[in-house]
Amino acid sequence: GENVEQHPSTLSVQEGDSAVIKCTYSDSASNYFPWYKQELGKGPQLIIDIRSNVGEKKDQRIAVTLNKTAKHFSLHITETQPEDSAVYFCAADLGYQKVTFGTGTKLQVIP
Amino acid sequence: GAGVSQSPRYKVAKRGQDVALRCDPISGHVSLFWYQQALGQGPEFLTYFQNEAQLDKSGLPSDRFFAERPEGSVSTLKIQRTQQEDSAVYLCGAGTQETQYFGPGTRLLVL
Repeated sequence: GENVEQHPSTLSVQEGDSAVIKCTYSDSASNYFPWYKQELGKGPQLIIDIRSNVGEKKDQRIAVTLNKTAKHFSLHITETQPEDSAVYFCAADLGYQKVTFGTGTKLQVIP
Repeated sequence: GAGVSQSPRYKVAKRGQDVALRCDPISGHVSLFWYQQALGQGPEFLTYFQNEAQLDKSGLPSDRFFAERPEGSVSTLKIQRTQQEDSAVYLCGAGTQETQYFGPGTRLLVL
């Protein structure tokens, strides 16, 4: 089965700085890579996703890159704000809705 | 997240008690899935429905866990003879072929 590794487990940045979270996956057949933000007491919220036929995708302050050859993908958050503080999960999907999640990154944005 | 509701939000059960967790997905969303999230961990796949058909139940940890979606909309996850290790947040999600949305989860505590 698919295995997704995520680093770092915790990340502290100053407000306004950038944050980068990296993930690797094991199954080259995975073709969909969503990123979720989870706030305390809430379910994961989809923030951005990328498909295997695309190398990069950007949505305002959030961007995701995918390297299929190396089987890794990254989340980039620029101009971080305190409300970005949460746990972020990467995930990989083989295409039939069975999503494998990473272990999560707790991001703290310090005002 | 995006209209998926779950009930109850919190459930305390005595060991050995049966529990039933409900998921009410977004109208028209064919796919429905259940995940188990232990404290400080990423969600782990339990089972997946496409309409009323349970296409994948490989993640159910034991035969004490049972899920159904008889009319292709509301789904129930039932846990029989609960054990302490069943304590976790149970997340339900719904989606299209391309995107998945999660509900807020049911936090189950087995004493």
